[in-house]
Amino acid sequence: AQSVTQPDIHITVSEGASLELRCNYSYGATPYLFWYVQSPGQGLQLLLKYFSGDTLVQGIKGFEAEFKRSQSSFNLRKPSVHWSDAAEYFCAVGEGTYKYIFGTGTRLKVLA
Amino acid sequence: DTAVSQTPKYLVTQMGNDKSIKCEQNLGHDTMYWYKQDSKKFLKIMFSYNNKELIINETVPNRFSPKSPDKAHLNLHINSLELGDSAVYFCASGGQGNTIYFGEGSWLTVV
Repeated sequence: AQSVTQPDIHITVSEGASLELRCNYSYGATPYLFWYVQSPGQGLQLLLKYFSGDTLVQGIKGFEAEFKRSQSSFNLRKPSVHWSDAAEYFCAVGEGTYKYIFGTGTRLKVLA
Repeated sequence: DTAVSQTPKYLVTQMGNDKSIKCEQNLGHDTMYWYKQDSKKFLKIMFSYNNKELIINETVPNRFSPKSPDKAHLNLHINSLELGDSAVYFCASGGQGNTIYFGEGSWLTVV
């Protein structure tokens, strides 16, 4: 069965430092891959998505992610983290047209 | 203008009660979803509707009954609420491009 793994439950970085959040998936075909962010008490906001083509995708708020088929990974990166980036981040894989499988999330804490 | 809106945002109710959460999307999407997020932040799909037709029902108890009067609305009715139903329920919609957009969530607390 398809699955998504986010190995880091919590990550703490200092403001201005770079960030990488890991995501590994298990899927037979070329997946649709997504990153969402959830601020406390809020819904999920789409950061970026990958369907095909260029394996490095740019998203909102200065985030980017790279699809690596050989590693079954879709890691999220940001070169310089802002305090407002503190939130929960979810990786997701599209399983067919109507179903999305989410990872367990990574909680990001940003130190001033 | 909110794309996916759901009401109420907060709901506190007693065990055994029946409650409904409403969802509306103005994105013109054909597909709508209900997701449940538990206390550990785990997101799990419950239902998916495409053009008012049930597509996915992920072994959710019969006490949960979705209703889609038209493709812009997907409501969730829950009968005989139990403590374990306490969670955040997210409505979402998706169209072309296989991208789904979430509502702000409905925080349900059963006491």
